[in-house]
Amino acid sequence: GQNIDQPTEMTATEGAIVQINCTYQTSGFNGLFWYQQHAGEAPTFLSYNVLDGLEEKGRFSSFLSRSKGYSYLLLKELQMKDSASYLCASVGAAGNKLTFGGGTRVLVKP
Amino acid sequence: DTGVSQDPRHKITKRGQNVTFRCDPISEHNRLYWYRQTLGQGPEFLTYFQNEAQLEKSRLLSDRFSAERPKGSFSTLEIQRTEQGDSAMYLCASTRRDTEAFFGQGTRLTVV
Repeated sequence: GQNIDQPTEMTATEGAIVQINCTYQTSGFNGLFWYQQHAGEAPTFLSYNVLDGLEEKGRFSSFLSRSKGYSYLLLKELQMKDSASYLCASVGAAGNKLTFGGGTRVLVKP
Repeated sequence: DTGVSQDPRHKITKRGQNVTFRCDPISEHNRLYWYRQTLGQGPEFLTYFQNEAQLEKSRLLSDRFSAERPKGSFSTLEIQRTEQGDSAMYLCASTRRDTEAFFGQGTRLTVV
């Protein structure tokens, strides 16, 4: 089976940096996704890591350590529109489905 | 718009009634997934298809739930004898192998 943990909620100030951690325990592993979900909307893809290291994409970066079962999503230069839930999801060895954590709700304050 | 369409967007039904939801995936995607999401939680996997074959069903999926993808294109999810605990957002996603999943806007079900 798969178990994914991430904090429930984080608050940060506009312009600041926030790091959302995600730990996972899986019987098989084939990659780690991060999705953003605004209230009442569908999740939208942010990043995918399958190898160890940092993937940078504009203001958002994602890091993976397979040996530690750990990932983080880094949001820089926070904007009000970044207030959303951020979902960490792992893909099993068969590459067949995403298993999601409970999501981290990020609130950006002025 | 991700290219994945779900219909209806909202459904209110009385307890005990049957409901059916439809998902139209991105046309070249051979994999289709159904998830259920309740407020403040992440999506929970329900079932997935590769083309027309249903390859996996979650233990969450009781006998009242059935899903089909008859021609490997659109899919339907039916819930029979709905219960208040079925109230949730039902999300559909599609993907090609080893790429990111694209989600539809979801169908919000309210059982009263």
